[in-house]
Amino acid sequence: EVQLVESGGGLVKPGGSLRLSCAASGFTFSSYSMNWVRQAPGKGLEWVSSISSSSSYIYYADSVKGRFTISRDNAKNSLYLQMNSLRAEDTAVYYCARDQFTNDAFDIWGQGTMVTVSS
Amino acid sequence: SYELTQPPSVSVSPGQTARITCSGDALPKQYAYWYQQKPGQAPVLVIYKDSERPSGIPERFSGSSSGTTVTLTISGVQAEDEADYYCQSADSSGTRVFGTGTKVTVL
Repeated sequence: EVQLVESGGGLVKPGGSLRLSCAASGFTFSSYSMNWVRQAPGKGLEWVSSISSSSSYIYYADSVKGRFTISRDNAKNSLYLQMNSLRAEDTAVYYCARDQFTNDAFDIWGQGTMVTVSS
Repeated sequence: SYELTQPPSVSVSPGQTARITCSGDALPKQYAYWYQQKPGQAPVLVIYKDSERPSGIPERFSGSSSGTTVTLTISGVQAEDEADYYCQSADSSGTRVFGTGTKVTVL
């Protein structure tokens, strides 16, 4: 079964850091670009970051550029998001999502992990 | 990046047709994708490349494109189709954008 499982969410103070992980299974992880998408409570979806299969291409939303770092370890079938200088507006459910092969759709999603930034 | 605009809500009776629009200046040059999200669940891809349907998605879901607007059509709406729907696209710089989202209510 194709599956993505996020972990690492929790409560953190403003200015703090957190590292999210996404474990992939059931497909050849090293062949796919991967993404992080977030959703603030009661709000819409917001794309956060993308990374190509070999980590050659990395993109960020303007809202997180310079504060978040996406990375992957193909040997461990894992995707990561290092979040620094966290703000209240970063509070959201963070989803890991797979790129559909050869196009820009997100065809497989994890169940999400909640990040709360509050003092 | 650019914006994708959707109506906040659409209401439809069971068995009728729901149409959800998504407007954006880059849509004539970029494919659009559609997601369904039910409360407490992760989004599900229902349309890709403007009008293609992934395996397992019912035939009542279809997509079309015309100029700067793409449309998701749900024919013969069922109660289980009540959900939030989001369009999504990309720009030439590699970034992705989601639409503002539409809540579909089945009356």
